[in-house]
Amino acid sequence: GQQVMQIPQYQHVQEGEDFTTYCNSSTTLSNIQWYKQRPGGHPVFLIQLVKSGEVKKQKRLTFQFGEAKKNSSLHITATQTTDVGTYFCADAFSGGYNKLIFGAGTRLAVHP
Amino acid sequence: DTEVTQTPKHLVMGMTNKKSLKCEQHMGHRAMYWYKQKAKKPPELMFVYSYEKLSINESVPSRFSPECPNSSLLNLHLHALQPEDSALYLCASSQIRDHQPQHFGDGTRLSIL
Repeated sequence: GQQVMQIPQYQHVQEGEDFTTYCNSSTTLSNIQWYKQRPGGHPVFLIQLVKSGEVKKQKRLTFQFGEAKKNSSLHITATQTTDVGTYFCADAFSGGYNKLIFGAGTRLAVHP
Repeated sequence: DTEVTQTPKHLVMGMTNKKSLKCEQHMGHRAMYWYKQKAKKPPELMFVYSYEKLSINESVPSRFSPECPNSSLLNLHLHALQPEDSALYLCASSQIRDHQPQHFGDGTRLSIL
């Protein structure tokens, strides 16, 4: 079945350093949604990418969708302690409702 | 604050008990979802309801029985669970349109003794 790979599994950075997580699939992704889950919390929607080659920015966060729609990335510039959490990409199959196939997630630790 | 409310927040039950998890949303969403999340793992889809009808059952064991009594409520009835069913159970909702984000509740942390 459809699988979404996400790397790295874990990233430990000093506050102020940049961070990137990568999402890959062997097949074409429908559209990509990114979620953040704080420790002890629930997934919170960040953004979705639909078009090939799409780039979206939210303050210090930059999201990209590959030209072939088989990969995506999330880059955080100058991390802050509030960025701590697990970042999940998810392939969202359309059809009225969205069936999400989540990547394994990247757990980000930020040390002050 | 989450717009999807789940109760209870924590539940401890024995393997012979029957209990129910409840989820409520008032955003007018007509798609609702149950996920299971084990520690340090991503959420795994269990069930999808659209317009109060079961659309997807991801081969979930029959000891989990979902119910959608109306467009705002989603229940998950539990019976004869196993210790490996201990997990965080998340409810989510979304609009019935393509490319819509899902809104998650805080979850119910379930422990099976």
